[in-house]
Amino acid sequence: EEQLVESGGDLVKPGGSLRLSCVASGFTFSNVWMSWVRQAPGKGLEWVGRIKRKSDGGTTDNPSPVKGRFTISRADSQNTLYLQMNNLKIEDTAVYYCATEGYPYGFHAMGVWGRGTKVTVSS
Amino acid sequence: QSALTQPPSASGSPGQSVTISCTGTSSDVGNYDYVSWYQQHPGKAPKLMIYAVSMRPSGVPDRFSGSKSGNTASLTVSGLRTEDEADYYCTSYAGSNNLVFGGGTKLTVL
Repeated sequence: EEQLVESGGDLVKPGGSLRLSCVASGFTFSNVWMSWVRQAPGKGLEWVGRIKRKSDGGTTDNPSPVKGRFTISRADSQNTLYLQMNNLKIEDTAVYYCATEGYPYGFHAMGVWGRGTKVTVSS
Repeated sequence: QSALTQPPSASGSPGQSVTISCTGTSSDVGNYDYVSWYQQHPGKAPKLMIYAVSMRPSGVPDRFSGSKSGNTASLTVSGLRTEDEADYYCTSYAGSNNLVFGGGTKLTVL
């Protein structure tokens, strides 16, 4: 069974840092693009960024709200995706989901999702 | 990158059909056939319902269908069932390696 399990969510002060992890199982992680998506309390989904598979360059992409603060990386030998979040702001408070992108369906479709991990930024 | 525009709510009675729109621009929905739709029940992770505008993942009932015309994509749910009550989100590739989500639509089955 294809599965993603996030961890690392916590309560952190504004300006602080946090690293989230996402462990994959049931599919060949190294062959798959991976994305992070967040959802603030009572709000909609927001794409946070992606990392491509190494054969596609292993590059990352982030939208403007998090560019320069959030860094996505992957450890294919450990089937693990990471999201390093620095200089956290109150508006970063959300449930963070990891998801496959382009697997097992078409380009940019997020076919497998984790259950999410909660990040709260508050003083 | 601006979010795609969805109506905040939609509703229908069991057995009826309902269509949810997702309006973007010629830079996203209108320019790429990479529109997906997700269903999210309260407290749960999103679930892919439609990809590539109109393709259904395995296991998704054929009551769910997708289409696109110009800058607007649509999700139609036919033969509404109580379990279809959920939030629905569209997303589109927006060029320059960006993805953009819609604001979400709460579907109520009356």
